[in-house]
Amino acid sequence: NAGVTQTPKFQVLKTGQSMTLQCAQDMNHEYMSWYRQDPGMGLRLIHYSVGAGITDQGEVPNGYNVSRSTTEDFPLRLLSAAPSQTSVYFCASNRQGGRYGYTFGSGTRLTVV
Amino acid sequence: SQQGEEDPQALSIQEGENATMNCSYKTSINNLQWYRQNSGRGLVHLILIRSNEREKHSGRLRVTLDTSKKSSSLLITASRAADTASYFCATEGNSGYSTLTFGKGTMLLVSP
Repeated sequence: NAGVTQTPKFQVLKTGQSMTLQCAQDMNHEYMSWYRQDPGMGLRLIHYSVGAGITDQGEVPNGYNVSRSTTEDFPLRLLSAAPSQTSVYFCASNRQGGRYGYTFGSGTRLTVV
Repeated sequence: SQQGEEDPQALSIQEGENATMNCSYKTSINNLQWYRQNSGRGLVHLILIRSNEREKHSGRLRVTLDTSKKSSSLLITASRAADTASYFCATEGNSGYSTLTFGKGTMLLVSP
């Protein structure tokens, strides 16, 4: 049981490049979400999904796209990377119902130069 | 915007002592959760307390929730060096779909 798997663990991009951060979970959780963590800050929500085919924006969605074609996968796309997107990105999944904690991946550390 | 605010921002104690961290939040919640993050790692769920609960225990952890004051506390008893980490509170709202809103965290250092 792997939980939430994020790839890659580290990435360096040049300004203007695009890339996709991968996230997969094997717990059959309905909900998945992406957060970014910047120094001295807690995690901030980028996008989330409550099931396959359903996504919505979080607190800081600009510059990111998501889609969810399967229950297991929830990739995050950076369309045109900017230095302000240098951060650590975490994917999480959870069961609906308000009784369960979230399971987080180990993160992707992204640097945009 | 940040929902929760942890206090203190940093806490340094000796092994065997108790550590108390506080969290305040702004809006109505469905539940409040505490997470631990070791340096350079992902977040690990510690405990969840629902809005209709006042206190919850899990091993050496004790969490209280006061919805009238919109505040929570996390007590770690008999701290160990392995408890050294950042601790975050996060709230799950009670309207619409569930997402977590995090505070900025408390850095706990437990010295041997």
